[in-house]
Amino acid sequence: DAGVTQSPTHLIKTRGQQVTLRCSPKSGHDTVSWYQQALGQGPQFIFQYYEEEERQRGNFPDRFSGHQFPNYSSELNVNALLLGDSALYLCASSLPSGVSSYNEQFFGPGTRLTVL
Amino acid sequence: AQSVSQHNHHVILSEAASLELGCNYSYGGTVNLFWYVQYPGQHLQLLLKYFSGDPLVKGIKGFEAEFIKSKFSFNLRKPSVQWSDTAEYFCAVNDGSNYQLIWGAGTKLIIKP
Repeated sequence: DAGVTQSPTHLIKTRGQQVTLRCSPKSGHDTVSWYQQALGQGPQFIFQYYEEEERQRGNFPDRFSGHQFPNYSSELNVNALLLGDSALYLCASSLPSGVSSYNEQFFGPGTRLTVL
Repeated sequence: AQSVSQHNHHVILSEAASLELGCNYSYGGTVNLFWYVQYPGQHLQLLLKYFSGDPLVKGIKGFEAEFIKSKFSFNLRKPSVQWSDTAEYFCAVNDGSNYQLIWGAGTKLIIKP
C-alpha cells in the first residue's frame, strides 16, 4: 500500500513565476491538507480539501490556491512567487471524516521549493 | 490566535538518559493533542495522540506523554533513550472546532552513542 506521494521532490523557480505541486493521498483517504514548513519552523497549515472543495484555509494569501480531483489527489498552486515562499511543502492525507474525532494525518515526503 | 510552544529547540543526551520534551499550547477549550516525529531522511509520522480519557498516553517506541489541562501542557517522555531516537519532534494541537493543526517549532534531539 503506497503512502502519500508528492511530486516533484525539488523545484527551483524565480520570483514572479507560478508553481504547481502535486499530491496523491494514501489509499482509502479522501481528505488532503497542505502545509508550508520554513527552515527551522514547524509546519503551517495552508488549507484542507475534502469532497473536491476547500474546507478550511489557514492564514495564507490568495496567491496560494488548490484543487482536489475526483480520485482525491490534490494540487497546490502558488502564483507570483516571492523569495519568502521558499520552503518545504508537505501534503497530508487522512481517513474519511466521522471515523474518529480527529483523524490522524499521514504525511508525504514533501516538495522542496526554492525561489531565487 | 492559538499557539504551540516547544521550549527546547535542541537537546543532546547520552544513550540511556531520560527524556522530557516540553509542549505548551494557548487554547483553553477542548483540544486534541499530537506528537509527531521525523527521523533523518524520513516523513513525519505520528508518535502518539490524545483525544480524551486517560491523560497519560502511550505511543510507539516506548514514548509516552501526559496531558495536564491546568498547565496547558502535553510533555513527551521516554525513560531511556536510544541512539535511534535521534530525530526532530513536533507537538501539534487541534482545538476540536475545525480541521487545522497548529504546530510547535520542533525540537531536534541528538542521542550520543
